Amino acid sequence: EAAVTQSPRNKVAVTGGKVTLSCNQTNNHNNMYWYRQDTGHGLRLIHYSYGAGSTEKGDIPDGYKASRPSQENFSLILELATPSQTSVYFCASGDLGGQDTQYFGPGTRLLVL
Amino acid sequence: QQKVQQSPESLSVPEGGMASLNCTSSDRNFQYFWWYRQHSGEGPKALMSIFSDGDKKEGRFTAHLNKASLHVSLHIRDSQPSDSALYFCAASERSNNRIFFGDGTQLVVKP
Repeated sequence: EAAVTQSPRNKVAVTGGKVTLSCNQTNNHNNMYWYRQDTGHGLRLIHYSYGAGSTEKGDIPDGYKASRPSQENFSLILELATPSQTSVYFCASGDLGGQDTQYFGPGTRLLVL
Repeated sequence: QQKVQQSPESLSVPEGGMASLNCTSSDRNFQYFWWYRQHSGEGPKALMSIFSDGDKKEGRFTAHLNKASLHVSLHIRDSQPSDSALYFCAASERSNNRIFFGDGTQLVVKP
């Protein structure tokens, strides 16, 4: 089964600080995604990537940047963290095509004080 | 407007009972549909995919798709406490690499 790992699993940050969330997948999938999950909002897409060097904006990209330096790694960067970015963040990977299943990591719980 | 709507928001069924979850979409370009399941403290995991009209059965789980009405459902027979989880409906277009998720249905199976 597809393996997606995330680090850190838990993070406490201060308002205005920089936060980097990392994701690694070992399945050679082309597509990778970052979501946040909040009660009442389900999964909301922040950024995604079609391959190394590419990033695309999702539905809620404001306040977030993404970086895809390699096929395996996809990072989410909060340059100036705010309390409203307190959430659980999930990374996912999948192959090309609209009919492909996405495989999710275990999530990162972020608290911004 | 959210493209994928789920109902009910929460559902409680007795152990051994039938759980029925519903999903409708507002985008007629959607061709592919999934059900994902998320246990507490974990990431979502694909449970079933359904791409053609009609029923698809996998063990105790049956998905039904009606593309004309953009309605997909999931039925869980002989529900078990381990089925207690958050269930997401998801949909995508043929030519798009992203999928759209509903807000989820929280299922509780009581022993």
